[in-house]
Amino acid sequence: GDSVTQMEGPVTLSEEAFLTINCTYTATGYPSLFWYVQYPGEGLQLLLKATKADDKGSNKGFEATYRKETTSFHLEKGSVQVSDSAVYFCALSGSGTSYGKLTFGQGTILTVHP
Amino acid sequence: KAGVTQTPRYLIKTRGQQVTLSCSPISGHRSVSWYQQTPGQGLQFLFEYFSETQRNKGNFPGRFSGRQFSNSRSEMNVSTLELGDSALYLCASSSAPGAKTGELFFGEGSRLTVL
Repeated sequence: GDSVTQMEGPVTLSEEAFLTINCTYTATGYPSLFWYVQYPGEGLQLLLKATKADDKGSNKGFEATYRKETTSFHLEKGSVQVSDSAVYFCALSGSGTSYGKLTFGQGTILTVHP
Repeated sequence: KAGVTQTPRYLIKTRGQQVTLSCSPISGHRSVSWYQQTPGQGLQFLFEYFSETQRNKGNFPGRFSGRQFSNSRSEMNVSTLELGDSALYLCASSSAPGAKTGELFFGEGSRLTVL
């Protein structure tokens, strides 16, 4: 079945540092890929998405490129802020019998210090 | 416009009891999905409803059930509660069925503790 693997966390960075959170996936067909973010005490919210190979999703300075050849969707940001501290989830929406649901990675806790 | 509203936000039950959780989607959204979030298993899909019909179901036992009403509001029920059912239950809505092309909007969740 479909699966998503994220780099193990937590990740601790200083403000203005470069961020990479790795995400790889296994799926049949052509999934759509997402990054969701969960701030403390809040529900998940969509950060960015890509629906086909080589698409780049971007939002709030974050970027991720859909790489079908390496089945990856790594999240990057050039300069993190304290306000980026949150839990980040990589997810996919597959096709066939899994259509209609999201398969999530385990989540990566990001803490940014001033 | 108002977001996804889940009630109750917190509840404590004992083993063997049952629980019903409620979700009101964003106005105009007809698709509602439910997810269970635990530290050990992460986020797992429970089921999805669109126009009162269950379109997809995750790998959970039959003790977990749900339904959707004509106004798109949804409820999920867990019967014969077990300690392992302690979790944050998240509801998400979208304007179209399926998560492939659309964005899911999540509520803040209902935190269930089973003693």
